[in-house]
Amino acid sequence: DSGVTQTPKHLITATGQRVTLRCSPRSGDLSVYWYQQSLDQGLQFLIQYYNGEERAKGNILERFSAQQFPDLHSELNLSSLELGDSALYFCASSVDVGETQYFGPGTRLLVL
Amino acid sequence: AQKITQTQPGMFVQEKEAVTLDCTYDTSDPSYGLFWYKQPSSGEMIFLIYQGSYDQQNATEGRYSLNFQKARKSANLVISASQLGDSAMYFCAMREDLINAGGTSYGKLTFGQGTILTVHP
Repeated sequence: DSGVTQTPKHLITATGQRVTLRCSPRSGDLSVYWYQQSLDQGLQFLIQYYNGEERAKGNILERFSAQQFPDLHSELNLSSLELGDSALYFCASSVDVGETQYFGPGTRLLVL
Repeated sequence: AQKITQTQPGMFVQEKEAVTLDCTYDTSDPSYGLFWYKQPSSGEMIFLIYQGSYDQQNATEGRYSLNFQKARKSANLVISASQLGDSAMYFCAMREDLINAGGTSYGKLTFGQGTILTVHP
């Protein structure tokens, strides 16, 4: 158990819908990262927050957004869902920006 | 350009033997970190080992060691005394220590495509 929690574990929804994925980092970790893992794209970095502030964006679609709250938990919002958004979404956290990232168990999203 | 390359889609090893999983990387950044993660069939990503670009010694963590050859830009994972529970997908990842336009640092991971390791009894 890495200490990073993600909810829900599984999510099945329809095209065009909006979902919210939630992440609680390890106690003491200030930095949160979101990654997407799909069969065709592999593991891709989406976005990073540090102590509530967005630090970096990767290959994140405009339909996706995220935020980190004052209690340091983070949410990833996915809207206007398409079939191709079906993937495993990971949250990771680290004490600081340059430190080891520990991953949560992931949220498996299936868009039908 | 591919930043992390894992050339072995699949590897097989006999239980109790050692196995090496290959990883090469590409960066012009002098400061970076190299990581190995394990992903069992259950899906979670488990951190195994870390090597910093300035570390003089190869990293070791129990049965895991990282064979770091900086000039060749390789960071191979060596698993000694393989166990059946080692069967999983293994990912090599690189963190480049970057500064964004606002002057603050960020450290995303770039992953390779992974190697599926199967340990035979």
